[in-house]
Amino acid sequence: AQSVTQLDSHVSVSEGTPVLLRCNYSSSYSPSLFWYVQHPNKGLQLLLKYTSAATLVKGINGFEAEFKKSETSFHLTKPSAHMSDAAEYFCVVSDTGGGNKLTFGTGTQLKVEL
Amino acid sequence: DADVTQTPRNRITKTGKRIMLECSQTKGHDRMYWYRQDPGLGLRLIYYSFDVKDINKGEISDGYSVSRQAQAKFSLSLESAIPNQTALYFCATGSDNTYEQYFGPGTRLTVT
Repeated sequence: AQSVTQLDSHVSVSEGTPVLLRCNYSSSYSPSLFWYVQHPNKGLQLLLKYTSAATLVKGINGFEAEFKKSETSFHLTKPSAHMSDAAEYFCVVSDTGGGNKLTFGTGTQLKVEL
Repeated sequence: DADVTQTPRNRITKTGKRIMLECSQTKGHDRMYWYRQDPGLGLRLIYYSFDVKDINKGEISDGYSVSRQAQAKFSLSLESAIPNQTALYFCATGSDNTYEQYFGPGTRLTVT
């Protein structure tokens, strides 16, 4: 069985300050982990993915995430928030024994203020 | 052109009606998925298909059925729509080699 917990349902930051969106996972197998972003009235876009290579993963738009097996975490960070980063972010896990099925977290709404 | 398309994009229907949501993809992927999104719940898997002859139930398949007409087409049907099926529905595709999935733009369904 696999599951994902996104620790914050809403995060608010000021433009230019760092972003941290927290995610913990549970998986019976070696997991693949993803962050997807959903802008208002849009579909889901892949930000980045971890698939057992380097533990620090760089994605699009300056985002990155670090896989920490000992902490079962995959937190998403960005050094400097931009107004265009305001969106909902989903942490997602797919375990290698799960037939490519994804399990989504409940989402974190990121608000970026001037 | 978009790799994964969904039709219709918006639909309002009445309780008890049968409705079909369609999904097409040009990515050449064998695997296709249907999810629903509800506020505060993330996306939940309804059905998935690994090829034309392989259809599987997801975690919330009750009240839904699917048809995989071809590698590129995967339709979701609500046999008798009810108001708690009001949601945003996403189709996705995935390759056999990677675990990432590619999502369509979504269909917003309202059942009154």
